[in-house]
Amino acid sequence: GAGVSQSPSNKVTEKGKDVELRCDPISGHTALYWYRQSLGQGLEFLIYFQGNSAPDKSGLPSDRFSAERTGGSVSTLTIQRTQQEDSAVYLCASSRDRGLDEQYFGPGTRLTVT
Amino acid sequence: SQQGEEDPQALSIQEGENATMNCSYKTSINNLQWYRQNSGRGLVHLILIRSNEREKHSGRLRVTLDTSKKSSSLLITASRAADTASYFCATDKNRDDKIIFGKGTRLHILP
Repeated sequence: GAGVSQSPSNKVTEKGKDVELRCDPISGHTALYWYRQSLGQGLEFLIYFQGNSAPDKSGLPSDRFSAERTGGSVSTLTIQRTQQEDSAVYLCASSRDRGLDEQYFGPGTRLTVT
Repeated sequence: SQQGEEDPQALSIQEGENATMNCSYKTSINNLQWYRQNSGRGLVHLILIRSNEREKHSGRLRVTLDTSKKSSSLLITASRAADTASYFCATDKNRDDKIIFGKGTRLHILP
């Protein structure tokens, strides 16, 4: 079956522009995560959706970052007024039920802010 | 603050040798997971060990969990070039309903 997909795979944008990153989780998975990973670093938790509950936004680094999940499926991560320090790989993962289950990762979106 | 911390940060061993990586965490947990990442892209789940388990095997992988020491180890036996990757542990924090990743161990298998 299809895994987690993300688009675009690469995005180059100018400083100050807004970007939208998309994640399609595995069908039926209720939990969805966004992470950020800078070169050679670990995963930085950004936001977590679980079913119809209010998302856990505790990892978002600033108010320029926001995410939504429509219909409990597709999620979009939006970064407004991008800065060079936003350059990173943005990873999405989903899991079947509770957030403690095995996570299935997408291939990531590599964002470069020039 | 970081929940899971892997040790060492980087490890280079000869092909065929065993590789051991450790993970320490701070709070009580429901389970602990190990993941592998190749080439800075998506992570792949390797193994999950629950808090009431002490050891788990999967192929050449062996994971142990010591809840009294709040630590886990991942052993890869008879290493291969294809094992070259970064390895991350992930735990829930204070039994929250989400998991947090450590910074990873970069493993390099030398030919």
